[in-house]
Amino acid sequence: SAVISQKPSRDICQRGTSLTIQCQVDSQVTMMFWYRQQPGQSLTLIATANQGSEATYESGFVIDKFPISRPNLTFSTLTVSNMSPEDSSIYLCSVGTSGTSSYNEQFFGPGTRLTVL
Amino acid sequence: AQSVAQPEDQVNVAEGNPLTVKCTYSVSGNPYLFWYVQYPNRGLQFLLKYITGDNLVKGSYGFEAEFNKSQTSFHLKKPSALVSDSALYFCAVRDRRGSGNTPLVFGKGTRLSVIA
Repeated sequence: SAVISQKPSRDICQRGTSLTIQCQVDSQVTMMFWYRQQPGQSLTLIATANQGSEATYESGFVIDKFPISRPNLTFSTLTVSNMSPEDSSIYLCSVGTSGTSSYNEQFFGPGTRLTVL
Repeated sequence: AQSVAQPEDQVNVAEGNPLTVKCTYSVSGNPYLFWYVQYPNRGLQFLLKYITGDNLVKGSYGFEAEFNKSQTSFHLKKPSALVSDSALYFCAVRDRRGSGNTPLVFGKGTRLSVIA
């Protein structure tokens, strides 16, 4: 298994500002995933971050709004840019295991609860 | 395309009674199936998964799930519910033709409330 930490755990931000969320894993992983969980909703995948390459964004998410860094195999950041109240969500970092078996589960960080005023 | 349906937004059950949280899936090939639980203000915790073999899978905290290929279902069950089981439950799927680096596809979640 992997132990994942996220910073900050929660934040309250003003409209128009940006917040960078950090995700740290206790082991080296190939892929890191960023999800958004809006109030009362399921998890929506924002992007997949592979170390050493540009993140791959899902439909409806763009790099200008959600820039992602992946400088090494244990760390990633997600920035929520030019925030609006609609960005209020829980943001979750997740990792697969280092193996390539498709039966491997993903592990999740505790999440960052963002409120935009 | 892969998808997961959790038809119930909310399930209420009395403590000590059996519980079932429903999940159906759709994949092009054969699936790997997963259940996760999310307690308030926490991330998702892995409960169990179906890979192959016995259709009844046992997981953490006394939970089990039954894979039914003909009904494309993977319902989560527990023989005797506890108040502490109250949480949000997510079913997820991955096509076997993917890899461990392919993200899981999640259902919308079902909120379980166990009443004392």
